[in-house]
Amino acid sequence: NAGVTQTPKFQVLKTGQSMTLQCAQDMNHEYMSWYRQDPGMGLRLIHYSVGAGITDQGEVPNGYNVSRSTTEDFPLRLLSAAPSQTSVYFCASSLTGVAVRSTEAFFGQGTRLTVV
Amino acid sequence: DAKTTQPNSMESNEEEPVHLPCNHSTISGTDYIHWYRQLPSQGPEYVIHGLTSNVNNRMASLAIAEDRKSSTLILHRATLRDAAVYYCILPNTGNQFYFGTGTSLTVIP
Repeated sequence: NAGVTQTPKFQVLKTGQSMTLQCAQDMNHEYMSWYRQDPGMGLRLIHYSVGAGITDQGEVPNGYNVSRSTTEDFPLRLLSAAPSQTSVYFCASSLTGVAVRSTEAFFGQGTRLTVV
Repeated sequence: DAKTTQPNSMESNEEEPVHLPCNHSTISGTDYIHWYRQLPSQGPEYVIHGLTSNVNNRMASLAIAEDRKSSTLILHRATLRDAAVYYCILPNTGNQFYFGTGTSLTVIP
């Protein structure tokens, strides 16, 4: 049981390049989400999914796309990288939504992205 | 959307209890209060959560005020491994978490 796995752990991009951050979980969780964390800040929600085929925007969705074709995977796409997207990205999963029932969210170890 | 307020930083001596406060005056009646912590260079990890009554687990205790507008995370004996940023979190957009800036806990040997 690997939990939540993010790849890559580190990435450097040039401005304007595109890339996909991968996130996979093996716990059969319905809810998955992406957060970004800037230096000295808390995590901010980018996009989330409540099940395969269903995605929605969080607090800071601009510049990012997501899709959820399987329960296990939730990739985050940067369409045209900008220096403002330099951040640490975390993927999370949970069995249910965190308000409805008592549930625990599991986070990956993060992807540190630098855009130059 | 419900938000939380926490002190930016706190210090504790090793092996002493630590009380980390959180205000959440706009909490709705059915929102669980969650606490997570983030060790350096790692993703957040679950600590404890509760709805109305006080909760205990092997890591910590959670004391929730009767009006639910505040809560306190209690670490009974702080160790150096407990040095982390502690987040008091309420559900937000899409039944996901809203993270504030948390409390950075320093444990002094």
